[in-house]
Amino acid sequence: AQKVTQAQTEISVVEKEDVTLDCVYETRDTTYYLFWYKQPPSGELVFLIRRNSFDEQNEISGRYSWNFQKSTSSFNFTITASQVVDSAVYFCALSEYYMEYGNKLVFGAGTILRVKS
Amino acid sequence: GAVVSQHPSRVICKSGTSVKIECRSLDFQATTMFWYRQFPKQSLMLMATSNEGSKATYEQGVEKDKFLINHASLTLSTLTVTSAHPEDSSFYICSARDGSGGDIAKNIQYFGAGTRLSVL
Repeated sequence: AQKVTQAQTEISVVEKEDVTLDCVYETRDTTYYLFWYKQPPSGELVFLIRRNSFDEQNEISGRYSWNFQKSTSSFNFTITASQVVDSAVYFCALSEYYMEYGNKLVFGAGTILRVKS
Repeated sequence: GAVVSQHPSRVICKSGTSVKIECRSLDFQATTMFWYRQFPKQSLMLMATSNEGSKATYEQGVEKDKFLINHASLTLSTLTVTSAHPEDSSFYICSARDGSGGDIAKNIQYFGAGTRLSVL
């Protein structure tokens, strides 16, 4: 069965520190997709990134970077030089290719990130 | 990115009344929409998957008669909480996925801003 584990319930950092949010997943499929979403206090989930299982290249977008390690089934998210506006709940999610019609997203429990000034 | 509008953002109602929540995809056609429920400091719990023109598929443990879902068009899905009770108070979030790309597993779900329901 599919499962996404975000072991860090809550992380607090001081502004300008780097922070890494961990995500470990389980799947029996060879084709799957991984996502990260951000949920600020307003509640709306904001899409950050999608990665397919065949693309292990790391990705960088501004202060955000993602490290996909298929060998360890991990898809970690790093924020460099964190800012107060980064404070939010971050969710990692998994979608499998061969799931039943509907291709549900399986979410991790989320990591609360608090960035203090 | 694509925009999903969810309305209302907040509703307070008396016990026993029904509440309708709308979810609209504004700039794309959503063949599939999803309804989630989120309790404080918890992850999203999928309630049902809604496909345009067909009956919704409910997750185990979700009462289909309590949570009525209608997906009448490619841009609109509604969730009606019937005879709401205080235990139905929660944050409800919808998402919409563009199914026009073949491999639907890769398609991104875009989320609405959520509806905070408080039942007195």
